[in-house]
Amino acid sequence: DIQMTQSPSSVSASVGDRVTITCRASQDISRWLAWYQQQPGKAPKLLIYGTFSLISGVPSRFSGSGSGTEFTLTISSLQPEDSATYFCQQSNSFPITFGQGTRLEIK
Amino acid sequence: EVQLMESGGGLVKPGGSLRLSCAVSGFTFRNAWMAWVRQPPGKGLEWVGRVKSNADGGTTDHATSLEGRFTISRDDSKKTLYLQMNSLKTEDTAIYYCVRDRWELLPVGCFDYWGQGALVTVSS
Repeated sequence: DIQMTQSPSSVSASVGDRVTITCRASQDISRWLAWYQQQPGKAPKLLIYGTFSLISGVPSRFSGSGSGTEFTLTISSLQPEDSATYFCQQSNSFPITFGQGTRLEIK
Repeated sequence: EVQLMESGGGLVKPGGSLRLSCAVSGFTFRNAWMAWVRQPPGKGLEWVGRVKSNADGGTTDHATSLEGRFTISRDDSKKTLYLQMNSLKTEDTAIYYCVRDRWELLPVGCFDYWGQGALVTVSS
């Protein structure tokens, strides 16, 4: 199985800050990566697929980059509603696997 | 409006069985590939398995870690997805989400619509 490792496990930042979350795959997954946002008590929400393609309706302050084994999710200017846990997911091969999550807190 | 509504969760003893249902509205269910994803309380996400549309063969893929205990099926006439869970273990305790699988976006899929989740608790 492909292992997905996110860092940091948690991060605290202020409104307006630029925040970057990293996801590393245990083997090359090309650009077959998705990102999800999960707010407390809610189901996850798909933000980005194929490393950098934004789902319709997702604010443009969210962006993704990377390839191979290292990927990043960047929030360019943090907003209060971005407080959530973020998960990466590899879609290169079965079984589909997720990172352990990064909890983002607003200071 | 898209809705995925899970039902059938609850408390079950180790070794027992449970069937979850997911009623779908707001998109053409018969054309959709569907999947289940679970999340133990306070923990991360785990893919359970998926079922293709009947037009694409209706076949299923399941996480091998489940050792054949779980089976996914669908009834297009009822627009409903099912998850049959047998020989349940305490480590199966989780919120189970019904999701639409966007297989066409990524090689083995990603999930754009999620239900609210059904809590399954396995405990004696």
